[in-house]
Amino acid sequence: EVHLLESGGALVQPGGSLRLSCAASGFSFSSYAMSWVRQVPGKGLEWVAGINGGGGTTNYGDSVKGRFSISRDNSQDTVYLHMDHVRVEDTAIYYCARLSYYDFWSAYPGHWGQGHLVTVSS
Amino acid sequence: SYELTQPPSVSVSPGQTASITCSGDVLSRKFGYWYQQKSGQAPVLVIYEDTKRPSDISERFSGSKSGAVATLTISGAQMEDEADYYCYSTDSRGNVFGTGTKVTVL
Repeated sequence: EVHLLESGGALVQPGGSLRLSCAASGFSFSSYAMSWVRQVPGKGLEWVAGINGGGGTTNYGDSVKGRFSISRDNSQDTVYLHMDHVRVEDTAIYYCARLSYYDFWSAYPGHWGQGHLVTVSS
Repeated sequence: SYELTQPPSVSVSPGQTASITCSGDVLSRKFGYWYQQKSGQAPVLVIYEDTKRPSDISERFSGSKSGAVATLTISGAQMEDEADYYCYSTDSRGNVFGTGTKVTVL
């Protein structure tokens, strides 16, 4: 059974940095692209970042380009989201999701973690 | 990037049929997908590749597409189908979720 567990800091000041982790189990981790999707409480889903199975190709949503970075450690079955220069509007629940294929182009999130709330506030 | 547009809300009586549309030019070239999200929970995939249903999803859910409009249909709606629904698609410009539709069963 696919299992994804997000963790990381919960509260950060504007302009600060934070790293989220997502530990995966139940599947061949390096065979699948991974992604981060966020949701402001009460609002819709927003694609944040994706990374292919090998870790060599990434993409980002427009609102986080240049500030956030996605990476993965296939030896640890873990994907990360590095968040720099965070803003109040980055406050959201961050979901880790396994995509359907090795590459994120033409792939869809098939399995989701339970989400991790990040609050950006002074 | 690009957009996928959904109606903000749809209401349906128990046992009746609800339809949710998703509009965007990417859908004329790429597959559409649908997610159900109940309050306080992570999204769940209910339709993939326009019309396919995961094995653990109720047969009440079906998908279709015509041109640049994808449609999720809930036949014989139940109280448990009350949730937010999001469409999704992807192409070389990126991966995008629709604006979301709140389905109320009453």
